[in-house]
Amino acid sequence: KNQVEQSPQSLIILEGKNCTLQCNYTVSPFSNLRWYKQDTGRGPVSLTIMTFSENTKSNGRYTATLDADTKQSSLHITASQLSDSASYICVVSGRTDSWGKFQFGAGTQVVVTP
Amino acid sequence: GAVVSQHPSRVICKSGTSVKIECRSLDFQATTMFWYRQFPKQSLMLMATSNEGSKATYEQGVEKDKFLINHASLTLSTLTVTSAHPEDSSFYICSATRTGEGEAFFGQGTRLTVV
Repeated sequence: KNQVEQSPQSLIILEGKNCTLQCNYTVSPFSNLRWYKQDTGRGPVSLTIMTFSENTKSNGRYTATLDADTKQSSLHITASQLSDSASYICVVSGRTDSWGKFQFGAGTQVVVTP
Repeated sequence: GAVVSQHPSRVICKSGTSVKIECRSLDFQATTMFWYRQFPKQSLMLMATSNEGSKATYEQGVEKDKFLINHASLTLSTLTVTSAHPEDSSFYICSATRTGEGEAFFGQGTRLTVV
């Protein structure tokens, strides 16, 4: 069973609107959680990385939150742009994982329409 | 930021031939690199961990004789798909972590199509 579950699987939003993506994980003990943006046919690009003690982190119009108690994270996109159309992947690293080894969510496919 | 470069970005080959994919860390030394494959609309699946100067560690279910990994230097790892079959057609991605840092950098991926 996948230890990182993302929802929704896909969503369509109008340009300029906000949206929130969810990530639930069961990885334990937990080390850090990352959000990546993956354009079609490209490798993932890091948006944020949070450790156990961090509750929120922003990168421009992207804001990630983390609740390590409930093992939930969210990624909020503000004032969406057409270039935000991509797959957003939640990635979790456990404290027992070897360096650089991650558990990947299946991703949320975001489509921003004019 | 650090850059990981993959080459080629796309390759089409005939069944039975071998294909080599390169992964380079351009501005840092990567003791460890990771190779993934990704099918359409699915998450990245770790295939193997590539360690500089030693044998790669393969995930369960990944054939090490089919997916040959060589990590000859601190900046280069190669994945060779041997005797490729159409079912090997996929998107292959590498990643590298800079020693002492938590950040992971991904290559741009290689689209392999076996005909």
